[in-house]
This record gives sequence, C-alpha cells and structure tokens, in this order.
Amino acid sequence: DAMVIQNPRYQVTQFGKPVTLSCSQTLNHNVMYWYQQKSSQAPKLLFHYYDKDFNNEADTPDNFQSRRPNTSFCFLDIRSPGLGDAAMYLCATSKGGSSYNEQFFGPGTRLTVL
Amino acid sequence: AQTVTQSQPEMSVQEAETVTLSCTYDTSESDYYLFWYKQPPSRQMILVIRQEAYKQQNATENRFSVNFQKAAKSFSLKISDSQLGDAAMYFCAYNSGGGSNYKLTFGKGTLLTVNP
Repeated sequence: DAMVIQNPRYQVTQFGKPVTLSCSQTLNHNVMYWYQQKSSQAPKLLFHYYDKDFNNEADTPDNFQSRRPNTSFCFLDIRSPGLGDAAMYLCATSKGGSSYNEQFFGPGTRLTVL
Repeated sequence: AQTVTQSQPEMSVQEAETVTLSCTYDTSESDYYLFWYKQPPSRQMILVIRQEAYKQQNATENRFSVNFQKAAKSFSLKISDSQLGDAAMYFCAYNSGGGSNYKLTFGKGTLLTVNP
C-alpha cells in the first residue's frame, strides 16, 4: 500500500545532541511537510518542500532544518535540541498543483529530550 | 492570517448515537477548503471529510457529514451511529486552496470518547 513512513517511531536524545528524524513516502507526491505537535495541541507546520524548493515558516526556529535528497525521502534535523523541542513530529505529503490540499500523514516520531 | 477555533476540548457520545463537533474559522478569502482530520491514539492522522467553500452542498462520507455555513464561518462535523473506533482526536483544518499555498491551519482539536 502507498504510504508515508517515519523512522524511528520513538527517539530519545540528550539536551544539545543533534538528532535526525526520517520520513519516506511511496505516494510519489511533490510536496512533503514537517509538523511539530506538542501534547494536546494542534500540529504546527515547520516547513515544506515542493519538489526541491524549500519553504520555511516564518516562526520556525533556526535550530530546525530539513533536507530532501530525492522525491521519496525527507529529513528533519534538530541541531541542538532543547527540552522545549520534545514533541511528536509528523511528516505529511500531498500532490502538487491540485485544487485542494489533502495531506497524507505518517504515524509520527515522538521525540524525548533528556 | 486565518484562524481555526474548536471550542469543545472534549466530547463524549454513547455508541450508536449521534454527536456533533464544532468548528469556526476566520478568513477574508472567498475560496478555500475545510477539512476534518481524525487522529486515533498512537495512530496516524487521516482525512475524514473535506468541503470546498464554493460548493453549497454539504459534504457527506458514510456516517460523517458536515454542516457548512459559509456566512457564519462555521464547519461542524456530525458523526451518526457512533462506533467505538470513532474515538479519537478530531482536528478541523483550513487551507486557502490551490496555487502555491499548501499550508493547513489546524484548530486545537476535540477529543471524542465513545462509551459502550
């Protein structure tokens, strides 16, 4: 089945230690997104890629970066995680150029910062 | 900027009964899309239903239907014949639609409990 896959599902890191979260998709979608979802809150868009074009949200901290080496994969890099970065990180994809923006979500990676 | 408000942090319903989740939004645009997403515990978020603002007819997907009131900027979700598997966090979301605007703006969510 076509899907959005996130690895790992659970990630523990230490304060200040760089961490990378991974997302892959078999949907062949143009657009890939990274959201941060803190406990009992709405998902908050960090950035998205349309193909290789990177779009950063204005309020995304510099600590967060992303890479998309090819259509299928997208990575979220947190350079120096702080305690406030502990959250669920959701990856999503959508077709580009469609008239509506249905997004397909992965299961998320729960990040714990010690 | 667009905002989405879900005024019910939690709701509960008896199995087989009907429940309505509320959502209001604020926008100055005339053309946009609205969505309800379901996020079960420890599982991925999935799309329940969507509504195009230019359509007057309310969207329906099996037991799920919406009441879209464009003038009032209201977009409620009705779940009929509730099932235990409907228990989840439900998010209302807004998108300007088309072009290069891909951002979904979410409400804070409503946690739905289904009682057997």
